[in-house]
Amino acid sequence: GAVVSQHPSRVICKSGTSVKIECRSLDFQATTMFWYRQFPKQSLMLMATSNEGSKATYEQGVEKDKFLINHASLTLSTLTVTSAHPEDSSFYICSARSQDSPLHFGNGTRLTVT
Amino acid sequence: AQKVTQAQTEISVVEKEDVTLDCVYETRDTTYYLFWYKQPPSGELVFLIRRNSFDEQNEISGRYSWNFQKSTSSFNFTITASQVVDSAVYFCALTRISNFGNEKLTFGTGTRLTIIP
Repeated sequence: GAVVSQHPSRVICKSGTSVKIECRSLDFQATTMFWYRQFPKQSLMLMATSNEGSKATYEQGVEKDKFLINHASLTLSTLTVTSAHPEDSSFYICSARSQDSPLHFGNGTRLTVT
Repeated sequence: AQKVTQAQTEISVVEKEDVTLDCVYETRDTTYYLFWYKQPPSGELVFLIRRNSFDEQNEISGRYSWNFQKSTSSFNFTITASQVVDSAVYFCALTRISNFGNEKLTFGTGTRLTIIP
């Protein structure tokens, strides 16, 4: 079964609203979670790395005030796209691992901003 | 800096043919992991293999095989007797090996494989 659950799988929202995406590790404690973004027919680009209990480390060019990441527990990280705009429409995918486990990916969230 | 190059953007083969997907990487790290992932149209990433840079043995898993050549910094993936279900985008990825568990994957741009029935 899936070891990383991502929810929702699809979301459509209006421009200007905020959207929260959850990433949960189901059978292990994820010390580190990663958030990736994938534009249509392109590769996955790392947005940020989050460690439990500390602030996320964002990649260059990623707006931390727009993409809020919270990793409040060892099994849950959330990505909130604030004041979403059509250009934020993309496929967002999380991954998680612990010290003892390989990297596992969630099933992704397809965000469409109208 | 790390870089992964998948020069083949799209490949189409007829069912039952063999196909090889190329992956070339660049890294200054002496120890690293290489990965292959499959992304079907549904979007999820399916883990196929992880290879440690210390281990240059080729690996076979059913119809899949991987050829790791450290001398040429390549980690190619071959599907034998391809099937329609193999149609997907395949990503090669690289990360350094860290004791802290915070390795970041660097992905290639992917190869879209289409198997024609």
